Amino acid sequence: DGGITQSPKYLFRKEGQNVTLSCEQNLNHDAMYWYRQDPGQGLRLIYYSQIVNDFQKGDIAEGYSVSREKKESFPLTVTSAQKNPTAFYLCASSPGTGNGYTFGSGTRLTVV
Amino acid sequence: GNSVTQMEGPVTLSEEAFLTINCTYTATGYPSLFWYVQYPGEGLQLLLKATKADDKGSNKGFEATYRKETTSFHLEKGSVQVSDSAVYFCARDPGAGSYQLTFGKGTKLSVIP
Repeated sequence: DGGITQSPKYLFRKEGQNVTLSCEQNLNHDAMYWYRQDPGQGLRLIYYSQIVNDFQKGDIAEGYSVSREKKESFPLTVTSAQKNPTAFYLCASSPGTGNGYTFGSGTRLTVV
Repeated sequence: GNSVTQMEGPVTLSEEAFLTINCTYTATGYPSLFWYVQYPGEGLQLLLKATKADDKGSNKGFEATYRKETTSFHLEKGSVQVSDSAVYFCARDPGAGSYQLTFGKGTKLSVIP
C-alpha cells in the first residue's frame, strides 16, 4: 500500500547537535511539506517543495534546512541554530490542488 | 489572503451527544474544503472533503456541507463516541496554481462516557 513514512517516531538529541528527520513517500506525489506542532497548538509550516530540486521557506524556516534530491524523499535537518527544537514534526505530501494532503505519523523530537 | 477560522476548543461532550464544530473560510476563489482528524500522538488523517458548493462530504458518521453563501463547512455528527476524542482541523485549498493548504487552528474534542 502507498503511504508516507516518517522515521524515527521518537528522537532524542543533545542541545547543540544537528539532527535529520526522515520523510519518504511512495505515492508519486509532487509536493511535500514539513510542519511543526507544539502542544495544544496548530500546524506551522517550516518548508515545502513542489518539485524535485526546488523548495521554499514556510512561516518558521529559521534554524531548519531541507533537500529534495528525489521525488520520494524530503528530509528535514534541525540545526543547532533552532532555538526551541523540541516539538512534534509532521511531514505531508500532495498530488496537487483539490486533493488535500497525506500525512506521516510524525516524529517527536526532544532536545535535552 | 486565504484563511480558515474554526471554533475554539476544547469541546467536551457526553457519549451519544450531537457534535458541531464550526468552520468558516475566506471566499477567495472556489476552494476545496477538508476536515482532518488527529488522534493523540499521531499524524493527521483526512476525514472528509468537498470540492464544490453544496457538496456534502461524509465519513464514519461525520458530515460537512460546503456552503458558499455563508462560506462555511461545519463538521457534524449525530452521536459521538469516546473513540471520536481527537483534534479536528478544517482546511481549505488555495485554488489553482498552488498546492499549499491553509489550516484552522484545530478544535480538541473530548467525549466522556
